Amino acid sequence: AQSVTQLDSHVSVSEGTPVLLRCNYSSSYSPSLFWYVQHPNKGLQLLLKYTSAATLVKGINGFEAEFKKSETSFHLTKPSAHMSDAAEYFCVVSADYQLIWGAGTKLIIKP
Amino acid sequence: GAGVSQSPSNKVTEKGKDVELRCDPISGHTALYWYRQSLGQGLEFLIYFQGNSAPDKSGLPSDRFSAERTGGSVSTLTIQRTQQEDSAVYLCASSLAQSAGATQETQYFGPGTRLLVL
Repeated sequence: AQSVTQLDSHVSVSEGTPVLLRCNYSSSYSPSLFWYVQHPNKGLQLLLKYTSAATLVKGINGFEAEFKKSETSFHLTKPSAHMSDAAEYFCVVSADYQLIWGAGTKLIIKP
Repeated sequence: GAGVSQSPSNKVTEKGKDVELRCDPISGHTALYWYRQSLGQGLEFLIYFQGNSAPDKSGLPSDRFSAERTGGSVSTLTIQRTQQEDSAVYLCASSLAQSAGATQETQYFGPGTRLLVL
């Protein structure tokens, strides 16, 4: 069965510093993995998607994630945080047509 | 082009009343999904449609919940005899046809319907 664990419920960084949002997954076969972002009072937006091509996936707004099979991880990173990055981020693993969602990580950006 | 739309955006109802939530998928998307997001939680899968049929209803929390899709397009999620624990944001997503075992198609989400049961 597929599952996903987001290791931090909240992450707080200063503007201009790197962002790391951690995600571990469990899957019985080669998974598709996603990161979605949800800004306050806005809909879910796909940041990036891994589907067994390149292990380093680049997404929108300067985010990227690296698929590490040996560590069963798919951490999300950004070199320099911006105030507009403040939002909730969800790591997602696919199970056929179903998406299995992590509980989310709230990213707080300090000025 | 137009994205997934949902109506109403907000719904306040009294316990015991029935509610209907509507989803308009992206044109050409044959797969449609309903999810529920409770406060501070990730999304919980409810039901999936391929065309007008629902191969998987396993996520529906009780027999008070039902959904239908007509014409391969608009879908309605109905909650009968609402309870306070039904309060949540109900999200709809659509994608191109999803084949079992194939690479997951990207799901595109609507803005959600925020349901509050008093």
